[in-house]
Amino acid sequence: DAGVTQSPTHLIKTRGQHVTLRCSPISGHKSVSWYQQVLGQGPQFIFQYYEKEERGRGNFPDRFSARQFPNYSSELNVNALLLGDSALYLCASSLAGTGYNEQFFGPGTRLTVL
Amino acid sequence: AQSVTQLDSHVSVSEGTPVLLSCNYSSSYSPSLFWYVQHPNKGLQLLLKYTSAATLVKGINGFEAEFKKSETSFHLTKPSAHMSDAAEYFCVVTPDYGGATNKLIFGTGTLLAVQP
Repeated sequence: DAGVTQSPTHLIKTRGQHVTLRCSPISGHKSVSWYQQVLGQGPQFIFQYYEKEERGRGNFPDRFSARQFPNYSSELNVNALLLGDSALYLCASSLAGTGYNEQFFGPGTRLTVL
Repeated sequence: AQSVTQLDSHVSVSEGTPVLLSCNYSSSYSPSLFWYVQHPNKGLQLLLKYTSAATLVKGINGFEAEFKKSETSFHLTKPSAHMSDAAEYFCVVTPDYGGATNKLIFGTGTLLAVQP
């Protein structure tokens, strides 16, 4: 079975641009969460979606937004990119949206902002 | 607010010797704690989790961790390190286990090096 997949693998953007990152959860999983991992730090929670509704939001500016589609895949959008947005963006999926369910992480998208 | 602290950013051991990675937590109530491992260019993988059942938790690949409320600790151990254990390890707490969200709060990570 395929695990969590993310695209693209790597991305280079310049300041002020917009970026869209994509995530496909494990088949049957209905919850998707996004994390930002800056070099040398642990991942930071950005969003959680379950059944296409936002379940949680971390301490990130409004430039960050996300959505979940009927097939449970998800997009993370970041507007007006800043140098500090350079990071590894991780997507995690789980069967349901509660903490009881193990989360499975994808390999991430490495975003570099120049 | 809940948090976890990993004081050691780097730990180096020799193959075949014990591994000890430290983690201390801060929580206003009984937390749910996890250890995740991140190998280079691979996704995070759950090693083990504590959810208020047995205080000694066994995970995959021979790792285990003991929840000590009196010390607010959840240290990760393994009796004998293998070269394949070289990776970054994260101690994690969830503020809402059993609730409506599955938000995870990660520590800063410990990079484990295993010397031959």
